[in-house]
Amino acid sequence: GAVVSQHPSRVICKSGTSVKIECRSLDFQATTMFWYRQFPKQSLMLMATSNEGSKATYEQGVEKDKFLINHASLTLSTLTVTSAHPEDSSFYICSARAPSGSTDTQYFGPGTRLTVL
Amino acid sequence: GEDVEQSLFLSVREGDSSVINCTYTDSSSTYLYWYKQEPGAGLQLLTYIFSNMDMKQDQRLTVLLNKKDKHLSLRIADTQTGDSAIYFCAEREGGKLIFGQGTELSVKP
Repeated sequence: GAVVSQHPSRVICKSGTSVKIECRSLDFQATTMFWYRQFPKQSLMLMATSNEGSKATYEQGVEKDKFLINHASLTLSTLTVTSAHPEDSSFYICSARAPSGSTDTQYFGPGTRLTVL
Repeated sequence: GEDVEQSLFLSVREGDSSVINCTYTDSSSTYLYWYKQEPGAGLQLLTYIFSNMDMKQDQRLTVLLNKKDKHLSLRIADTQTGDSAIYFCAEREGGKLIFGQGTELSVKP
C-alpha cells in the first residue's frame, strides 16, 4: 500500500515552454501533497504544500506564478513549471501524506527529471 | 529554521554493520524518519520512530534515539551491496518534513 506515482519520469523541453508534472496517490486519498526539488548530491528542498480544494502554500523564495500547483482531487496534484529556463532543470519529487490516524507519514513518488535546453 | 545534519559519506565492507548518524534541533519533533534514495529514484520510507521511544528494531534496521542530545542513528546489520544508497533522516516540524543532507553509503564487496 501507500504507492505514489509521478508522470512523466523524465522530460526534456525547450526554454520558454511550460511543463506539467503529475503526482498521484494510487491506493489512498491524500488531502495534502508536497512538492520538493532536489539538486544533484543535495537534500530535498520543500517548494510547496498542496492542499486539496484550496490554494497551495509556497515556501519562502519559491515563485508561485512560476510553479503552479493544482490539487484538484484527493489523488492528484500537478506542478506546472511555466516558461521554463535552464536553471529550472532539476529533479522534482512529490509526496503524499497518508491519512490521519497513521504516523502522518509522507510517501514519495519516484521523481521527475526535468531538463530545460 | 530548524536544522538536521548528517555526515555525507560512509563506506563499509559487505557483511559489516553500518551506522548512520543524524542530529536535529527541534526538541518538539514528534516523529523522526529514515528514508533511502537509490540513484535517480524517489525516497523510500525505511522506518520511523516516535519521540517517546529510545529504540526501534525492524529486521536488519535498528533506530536509536537520544532525545536529550537530539541524536538519531540508523544501524544496518549485515550490510549488503544492495544497501548502497543515500540515506536521509528527517524530522517532522508541524506538517512538514525537514531533511538532512543525506549520507551516501557505499558498500564494498
